[in-house]
Amino acid sequence: AQTVTQSQPEMSVQEAETVTLSCTYDTSESNYYLFWYKQPPSRQMILVIRQEAYKQQNATENRFSVNFQKAAKSFSLKISDSQLGDTAMYFCAFMRGFGNEKLTFGTGTRLTIIP
Amino acid sequence: SQTIHQWPATLVQPVGSPLSLECTVEGTSNPNLYWYRQAAGRGLQLLFYSIGIDQISSEVPQNLSASRPQDRQFILSSKKLLLSDSGFYLCAWTLPGGAALGFGPGTRLTVL
Repeated sequence: AQTVTQSQPEMSVQEAETVTLSCTYDTSESNYYLFWYKQPPSRQMILVIRQEAYKQQNATENRFSVNFQKAAKSFSLKISDSQLGDTAMYFCAFMRGFGNEKLTFGTGTRLTIIP
Repeated sequence: SQTIHQWPATLVQPVGSPLSLECTVEGTSNPNLYWYRQAAGRGLQLLFYSIGIDQISSEVPQNLSASRPQDRQFILSSKKLLLSDSGFYLCAWTLPGGAALGFGPGTRLTVL
């Protein structure tokens, strides 16, 4: 069974700084997808970034980028030029490949951006 | 574009009463559907997921059940609620292959 581990329950960083959230996963699958989701106080889940395991290139979305290390089963999220609106819970998620797409989340990292 | 509806938004129920939460996806066909529960300040616990009608996998063997009466409809039910069923329930969908993923707005359930 796949597991997703986020080892940082809470983090804080000054506004405009860069922060990296860690995520590791365990699976025997070769085809899968990885996601980072943001959950602000409204509790709405917002997709931050998505990575397909077969792609070696790291995904990037504006200030958000990932460091995907497939051999190490690591999927960290880097937030550059952090903003107050980035304050939220961040969840890493793993989804198995086509045919049995079980979607599993980590326990989350609470990120606070300090003005 | 795809849209996911989830209702009710808030629910207060007495212990021992039944439960029915509904989730409907629009703008796509044959989605994968998921039910999660989130305790306050905690992570998302996968309850059920379905990759098709009559294909529902249970992750947590509790007093909850799920059904998929139509391709784009996913229902979470209970015959008798427990205090421990209180929480925030989220419905999610993906396309086969993970090409897209979205969440409903959630249902806040309080069992008294």
